[in-house]
Amino acid sequence: DAKTTQPTSMDCAEGRAANLPCNHSTISGNEYVYWYRQIHSQGPQYIIHGLKNNETNEMASLIITEDRKSSTLILPHATLRDTAVYYCIVRVGHDKIIFGKGTRLHILP
Amino acid sequence: DVKVTQSSRYLVKRTGEKVFLECVQDMDHENMFWYRQDPGLGLRLIYFSYDVKMKEKGDIPEGYSVSREKKERFSLILESASTNQTSMYLCASNSGTGVFDEQFFGPGTRLTVL
Repeated sequence: DAKTTQPTSMDCAEGRAANLPCNHSTISGNEYVYWYRQIHSQGPQYIIHGLKNNETNEMASLIITEDRKSSTLILPHATLRDTAVYYCIVRVGHDKIIFGKGTRLHILP
Repeated sequence: DVKVTQSSRYLVKRTGEKVFLECVQDMDHENMFWYRQDPGLGLRLIYFSYDVKMKEKGDIPEGYSVSREKKERFSLILESASTNQTSMYLCASNSGTGVFDEQFFGPGTRLTVL
């Protein structure tokens, strides 16, 4: 599975859009980009995934560059409950997920 | 509502004790996973199972074993607990079909070995 690089931490004001970047320059053609988050003292929670096209669901949007070497997770209107560690993962198949260290997102009131 | 449950949220054991961590899922999932999470190291895969009575080593299996006698239950066993096994342990499951498959996680067990 390809490795990912994310900033260690980020701040975002409540109500603003939170944009979390992820680099995955060694991604292969059949690997998907996934995002999970982990709120303090809870297990990780799936957010969104994509292959080539941009994706949107009720939680977030995922923008993948045309060369697929990087992506951005967008939380359109961040709330205090979005404070969490966000993990960007690339993989194929349905077996193990390799979690990196993620980005600690702080939503500021 | 889909659910992965773990037997304890907090556990304190002594060095040398045999420790059982239990995980149960109610989604009829084929695959189950055990991870440990440590500050600065992220989540690391210990063992996983594709089916009943089947198991595969993950990235850090040393000092651990697993048991999957029933589809819904996946147990992690520390044969002789040591202080370096103090950690947060997370169980997950997924259905194992298709290219993409979301993993559902339990709430975690925070194990302290004294």
